Amino acid sequence: DGGITQSPKYLFRKEGQNVTLSCEQNLNHDAMYWYRQDPGQGLRLIYYSQIVNDFQKGDIAEGYSVSREKKESFPLTVTSAQKNPTAFYLCASSMLAGAYNEQFFGPGTRLTVL
Amino acid sequence: DAKTTQPPSMDCAEGRAANLPCNHSTISGNEYVYWYRQIHSQGPQYIIHGLKNNETNEMASLIITEDRKSSTLILPHATLRDTAVYYCIVRPARGGGADGLTFGKGTHLIIQP
Repeated sequence: DGGITQSPKYLFRKEGQNVTLSCEQNLNHDAMYWYRQDPGQGLRLIYYSQIVNDFQKGDIAEGYSVSREKKESFPLTVTSAQKNPTAFYLCASSMLAGAYNEQFFGPGTRLTVL
Repeated sequence: DAKTTQPPSMDCAEGRAANLPCNHSTISGNEYVYWYRQIHSQGPQYIIHGLKNNETNEMASLIITEDRKSSTLILPHATLRDTAVYYCIVRPARGGGADGLTFGKGTHLIIQP
């Protein structure tokens, strides 16, 4: 089946440790995105990438890093510099060609930093 | 992107039509209205979008006022599985998705049995 996978679904880490969240898509989409969601809030954009080996900061990029070495993969690293890393992280992808750019979302990873 | 205003919560009886309003009074001429929904602890799901004409698909209908300052998402026969947070988003269509979507707090729609 085509879609976006994120793993793991739940992740626990100790404070001060870096952690990498996985995001893979087999939709042949050009663009990929990372969002963060806190309880009762909407999604906020962390990073996005329109093409391999290129990515742009979103609204809340501080304390995060990404890479885009392959079209289908866009991992997010939550570094120890992120002051409040506990959150629900969502990955999405979209076609760049065409007029609508509907975004398809993965199931999310819930990160808890202890 | 233009800002949107939505009621924080709404109730609807199962089997009835759910009408979710959205105000976007600062919308620009090239901006589309998009609707997504998020079922608890899942990723958001695209529902529908439109520019100025009313739109319908298998999930919902979108009614946009003539002045484009507001819109209504209609779920014609709501079921319990439609309980979710519904987000109204305004942004340009072509190339607009490349720099992400701006999500507000949305409307929490609760379908009552």
